[in-house]
Amino acid sequence: EVQLVESGGGLVQPGGSLRLSCAASGFTFSGYWMTWVRQAPGKGLEWVANIKQDGSEKYFVDSVKGRFTISRDNAKNSLYLQMDSLRVEDTAVYYCARKPNGWPFDYWGRGTLVTVSS
Amino acid sequence: EIVMTQSPATLSVSPGERATLSCRASQSVSSNLAWYQQKPGQAPRLLIFGASTRATGIPARFSGSGSGTEFTLTISGLQSEDFAVYYCQQYNKWPLTFGGGTKVEIE
Repeated sequence: EVQLVESGGGLVQPGGSLRLSCAASGFTFSGYWMTWVRQAPGKGLEWVANIKQDGSEKYFVDSVKGRFTISRDNAKNSLYLQMDSLRVEDTAVYYCARKPNGWPFDYWGRGTLVTVSS
Repeated sequence: EIVMTQSPATLSVSPGERATLSCRASQSVSSNLAWYQQKPGQAPRLLIFGASTRATGIPARFSGSGSGTEFTLTISGLQSEDFAVYYCQQYNKWPLTFGGGTKVEIE
């Protein structure tokens, strides 16, 4: 069974940093693109970042470029999102999702809440 | 960036009836269109990909159609568990973008 479990969310002050993790199981992690998607309270879904199977390609939404870094450790079946210079508008539930080549996001984790507030 | 526009924002439907949800892309996305269902406090669930192919385990009452810029999700014979928010998403071009969602509520 495919499982994605996010962790690392919490309350952080504006300008602070946070590192999210996503533990994957039930599939060959190294064979898939992986993604972070976020959802602000009461709002819709926003794709944040993607990383290729070997980490050689990474894409980010414009609003987080230069502030967020996506990485993965295929030996540990783990995906990460390093978030620096956090802003109030980054407050959201952050979901980890799997993205097969040529497909949309087929499996999602339950999400982890990031709150940026003073 | 491809802008995805969903309509209506809210759809009130009685159980057993049919719901028709629309999604429009600002430019062609071919058939690279997905639909997701999200219930309160839960992660989104993939319903449809390739504009019309049901994902694994999705009941036949969910059907998708369209190509290019105009897409439709139809839910036939709405059941209580179908009342939720539905999002379309294009995966034809970076950045991948979602519509704003349609909430299907009980009339």
